[in-house]
Amino acid sequence: DTAVSQTPKYLVTQMGNDKSIKCEQNLGHDTMYWYKQDSKKFLKIMFSYNNKELIINETVPNRFSPKSPDKAHLNLHINSLELGDSAVYFCASSQGDRPRGYGYTFGSGTRLTVV
Amino acid sequence: TQLLEQSPQFLSIQEGENLTVYCNSSSVFSSLQWYRQEPGEGPVLLVTVVTGGEVKKLKRLTFQFGDARKDSSLHITAAQPGDTGLYLCAGYSGGSNYKLTFGKGTLLTVNP
Repeated sequence: DTAVSQTPKYLVTQMGNDKSIKCEQNLGHDTMYWYKQDSKKFLKIMFSYNNKELIINETVPNRFSPKSPDKAHLNLHINSLELGDSAVYFCASSQGDRPRGYGYTFGSGTRLTVV
Repeated sequence: TQLLEQSPQFLSIQEGENLTVYCNSSSVFSSLQWYRQEPGEGPVLLVTVVTGGEVKKLKRLTFQFGDARKDSSLHITAAQPGDTGLYLCAGYSGGSNYKLTFGKGTLLTVNP
């Protein structure tokens, strides 16, 4: 039973299209995150939600829009995809008041390729 | 912006050798975590260190947090091919946004 599950695992799409990535966690955590990992393996935070409230919104093009319908789900919608959006996107969760000791639990990633 | 510098960036060794990976910053962190990431998977938490000078052991892996809580090291004894992966350090600076800042990682390859 996967703790943090993302779909799809792979996504290949053309420039200009709109796509969504879904994430669900069954750990009972109240904070969820989207991270982007580039080709050099650098993980950079994009967004974070705590109990459905947006608490981190890093410098990300406004073509990226997160949505959290409840605290177990965090989706990422991307409009007008560009070549530079190609990367691996990771969803993660943590117990909001305990990342200091307990860390994040990551999903297995969505590899997005824009052609 | 808080930065975490990891060194070396790449490390290729033979089975049975020892190695140390470093994670350094000019900023103080409330805690520092180490993750391992295998190809096609997300990072998996190995350990968290929270007290300056703290040392934690996980089988053949030894983690240390610097006295000033600005740096950390990961030492692996008698490396095995199963230790191959990307090792990431991540710092938590506290506050209400629960944000982890990641280093760029050390890609370790242990050859049989």
